Formats: sequence, structure tokens, C-alpha cells
Amino acid sequence: DTAVSQTPKYLVTQMGNDKSIKCEQNLGHDTMYWYKQDSKKFLKIMFSYNNKELIINETVPNRFSPKSPDKAHLNLHINSLELGDSAVYFCASSQNSGGSGYTFGSGTRLTVV
Amino acid sequence: KNEVEQSPQNLTAQEGEFITINCSYSVGISALHWLQQHPGGGIVSLFMLSSGKKKHGRLIATINIQEKHSSLHITASHPRDSAVYICAVRSTAGNQFYFGTGTSLTVIP
Repeated sequence: DTAVSQTPKYLVTQMGNDKSIKCEQNLGHDTMYWYKQDSKKFLKIMFSYNNKELIINETVPNRFSPKSPDKAHLNLHINSLELGDSAVYFCASSQNSGGSGYTFGSGTRLTVV
Repeated sequence: KNEVEQSPQNLTAQEGEFITINCSYSVGISALHWLQQHPGGGIVSLFMLSSGKKKHGRLIATINIQEKHSSLHITASHPRDSAVYICAVRSTAGNQFYFGTGTSLTVIP
């Protein structure tokens, strides 16, 4: 019973397409995050939601839009995909915005061709 | 310059050795995390620290807030400890997260 689950695990798509990555946590956590890990394996936070409210919104292109229908879900929608969007995207959750009980999803490898 | 610096970048050790990975940061923080990323890509949170020291099995994490420095120690290292270890801090200003570039550890049998 996966605590933080992301779908899909792999995504290959053409430039210009719009795609979504879904994330769900069954831990009862209040806070969820999206991270991007580039080809050099450097992790960078993109967004964080606490109880469906956006609390961290790093400088990312506005082609990336997070959506949190409830506190157990945080989806990432990407418009007009570009080659540079190719990366592994990790979803994570924590008990609260302080970061307790940090749990990561297994990642979504996005390849834009 | 990155707000979080880790050293060493790469580390190779013999099984059984005591290992230390260091993390220095330049911002005021509310918490520091040590993460482990396995070769398969999965990330596990090892510790969250705001002061002092925590121990979990063979892993020990310490933090010195005044010196803005944290260490992750692995006692009696084992090949299954081979992974990338990442230090991350949550800053007090603006609720930012900053990540180190990771330390790649290989433990040889």
C-alpha cells in the first residue's frame, strides 16, 4: 500500500504537448510538494501546498501549474512541453509545513522528444 | 554559490569503515534534512534535524546551528549503504528549500 504514489512512472511525449502527472498520499499529511531533479541529479523544489493552499511557488515557468483538489492530492500540469522539461519529477508529502515525516514518491521520468 | 554545500562529492569506502558526510549552509534555517537516493532513483528521508543529534540504526546525524554545519555518519558501512546522500535545508526567510548537490557513496565489499 504505497504511501505517496505518482502516475505515470514514465512519460515520453513530443514537444508542444500538454501533460499531467498525478500524486496521491494516503498518510493523512497536510503538506505536499513537487520537486524537479535534472540530468545532473540536482533536486529543486517547485511547489508546496499545505491543506490545499499554495505556500511555496518557486520561480518556474508558468507553463507548470499545480492543482490540489484536496489535501491528499497534488497534480502537476505542464503546458507546451519543451525539451528542457525532461527530468525526473518527485512528489512528496510531510505531516505539516515544517517537514516532519517527509515521504517521497518514486518519481516520474519525463522525456520530451 | 549554492546555499548548501556538501563534501565530499564522491566517496568510496571499504565495507566496515566509518563514514562521514558533511553539509554546510549559509542561510538561517528552521530544519535540515538528510535524504538518501538509491541507485534505482527512489528517495528516502533519513533525518530531520533542528538541533543536536539523532540516531537511527547505524546512521547518526548531528547539527551545529551556530556553525551552520551538519554531519551524517554511517558506522560499520555496508554495500547496501551505497547511494547518493543529499542535505536539504528549509530557510526561515521566505520558506525556501535549498538542496546540496549530493554525495555519492560507494561501499565496496
